[in-house]
Amino acid sequence: GENVEQHPSTLSVQEGDSAVIKCTYSDSASNYFPWYKQELGKGPQLIIDIRSNVGEKKDQRIAVTLNKTAKHFSLHITETQPEDSAVYFCAASMQGAGGTSYGKLTFGQGTILTVHP
Amino acid sequence: DGGITQSPKYLFRKEGQNVTLSCEQNLNHDAMYWYRQDPGQGLRLIYYSQIVNDFQKGDIAEGYSVSREKKESFPLTVTSAQKNPTAFYLCASSKSGTANYGYTFGSGTRLTVV
Repeated sequence: GENVEQHPSTLSVQEGDSAVIKCTYSDSASNYFPWYKQELGKGPQLIIDIRSNVGEKKDQRIAVTLNKTAKHFSLHITETQPEDSAVYFCAASMQGAGGTSYGKLTFGQGTILTVHP
Repeated sequence: DGGITQSPKYLFRKEGQNVTLSCEQNLNHDAMYWYRQDPGQGLRLIYYSQIVNDFQKGDIAEGYSVSREKKESFPLTVTSAQKNPTAFYLCASSKSGTANYGYTFGSGTRLTVV
């Protein structure tokens, strides 16, 4: 099955700096890569996702890049703010055969991001 | 507003008891999932269901059971066979079809064995 490795496990930055979180996946058939943000005591929320036919996607201060050859993808947060402090999870899944969505996500271990004012 | 609701938020279980965690969604999503979250271990899949009256085991199904009698509901029972049930449990749902979609998560249930 799919295996997703996420690094670093903790990341501390100063407000205004950039933060980068990296993930690698094992199954070359995976084609969907979402990122989730989890605040304390809450469920994760989808913040950005990318599909395998795209190399980069941006949404304001966040961006995700995908390198299919190397099987890794990264989350980039620019101009970090204290409210960006949370646990971030990457995930991967693949579309099933015959065009039917398989849909089951495999998650990385999470990164605790702390942004210091 | 559409969403996914988990209840209760906190749950305490005595040794040897079965407990059931509720998960309800009004998003008209076909697929629903249960994950367990332990510190430092990310999210691990317990069970998932892509259509009513059908479900599959995930990576850590032992000691758990589910049912999917209605599209909106996917309750999880933690049985006495689960030896280490203390954890944060997350339910999620997603659209299904010809492309993958992100999950919508509930706010979680924290289960503690006393």
